[in-house]
Amino acid sequence: SQTIHQWPATLVQPVGSPLSLECTVEGTSNPNLYWYRQAAGRGLQLLFYSVGIGQISSEVPQNLSASRPQDRQFILSSKKLLLSDSGFYLCAWSAFSGQPQHFGDGTRLSIL
Amino acid sequence: DQQVKQNSPSLSVQEGRISILNCDYTNSMFDYFLWYKKYPAEGPTFLISISSIKDKNEDGRFTVFLNKSAKHLSLHIVPSQPGDSAVYFCAASVDSGGSNYKLTFGKGTLLTVNP
Repeated sequence: SQTIHQWPATLVQPVGSPLSLECTVEGTSNPNLYWYRQAAGRGLQLLFYSVGIGQISSEVPQNLSASRPQDRQFILSSKKLLLSDSGFYLCAWSAFSGQPQHFGDGTRLSIL
Repeated sequence: DQQVKQNSPSLSVQEGRISILNCDYTNSMFDYFLWYKKYPAEGPTFLISISSIKDKNEDGRFTVFLNKSAKHLSLHIVPSQPGDSAVYFCAASVDSGGSNYKLTFGKGTLLTVNP
């Protein structure tokens, strides 16, 4: 069966520091991969998605970037974190058709 | 502009009774709808989905109803169990060329099932 791993579970970072969140999927090949963010009191917002290695689509202009160096690895990065980057970050995967998407357990990011 | 709306932030029901969670959408291009369930400190778990060519889909205790003319869908849980207590998210997507990547989520409804 397919599993998705996301780490760390929680992270506290100072403003201006870099960020790297990693997500890996097991048990499937060539998945679609997604990064979402849930800010306080808001629904989940799609940040990036990828349909293959090196292919990244950005949904929302922001201080973040994503990369997919391997088929089942998706990384969310920032060079300098802002206070507004705080939130709950979720990685998800789906089969090629796009739905349904299956989520990891998320990373709670707090910026101080 | 919030395209998927869950107007009830919370709902409380008694164990064994029916839970009805509602969701409205504004984008008439949406043609695939999903419900997710989320426990604290975990990611959302896919529950059930429905395509716009149907008006009902059932999976065990969970049934989703779609009313396209009203742009409304609902999730029925019968009978409700205490383990169903969680936040429920409604989500929608547009099928573009046989693939639909972007999910638009509502803000969620917290369901509490009391023993």
